Amino acid sequence: GAVVSQHPSWVICKSGTSVKIECRSLDFQATTMFWYRQFPKQSLMLMATSNEGSKATYEQGVEKDKFLINHASLTLSTLTVTSAHPEDSSFYICSARGGSGGARETQYFGPGTRLLVL
Amino acid sequence: GDSVTQMEGPVTLSEEAFLTINCTYTATGYPSLFWYVQYPGEGLQLLLKATKADDKGSNKGFEATYRKETTSFHLEKGSVQVSDSAVYFCALSEPGFGNEKLTFGTGTRLTIIP
Repeated sequence: GAVVSQHPSWVICKSGTSVKIECRSLDFQATTMFWYRQFPKQSLMLMATSNEGSKATYEQGVEKDKFLINHASLTLSTLTVTSAHPEDSSFYICSARGGSGGARETQYFGPGTRLLVL
Repeated sequence: GDSVTQMEGPVTLSEEAFLTINCTYTATGYPSLFWYVQYPGEGLQLLLKATKADDKGSNKGFEATYRKETTSFHLEKGSVQVSDSAVYFCALSEPGFGNEKLTFGTGTRLTIIP
């Protein structure tokens, strides 16, 4: 089946630093990738949608200069949290959807990255 | 806008009990409906889906039927196991032009006791 990986699985950083999270589709080409944020005991909130080779589309209320998304290839998208602050601490999850076959309509999720900003 | 409402948890059941997790939705068009499951320490996995009215999605003993008249997609399983303990998310996706977004419910935590 379609597999999506994320790296790192968890990260602790100091306030003011930047953190990059990678999302990879391992066995299919992901034309579209999504980035979500999940707060404890809450649902997933979509942050942005990215298509390979174009700028990401951010949801209302999400700062695009704060959360930089790059989708440079069909198998890799990155989310960079710039100048992280404690309120950015959360569980970040990516998903990927391919361009053909069974992966086309379904979003396949990565295992998530837990970020703790001290 | 679109929204998904799930029954609040947590839900605790004994092994072999019957499970129902309610899910209703609000959408402007004719959405596809999904159930995702999140096991402890893991990412979301697609459990089942239905793309049109009266479709029944099924997987691993779980079933859900797309009911347009009641805008519902309740998840059921006849006999739950300890390994079913997880958080279950109902979600919808409106048909679009290639960037269909998922709208999730708040999730229902299910614990099965041996």
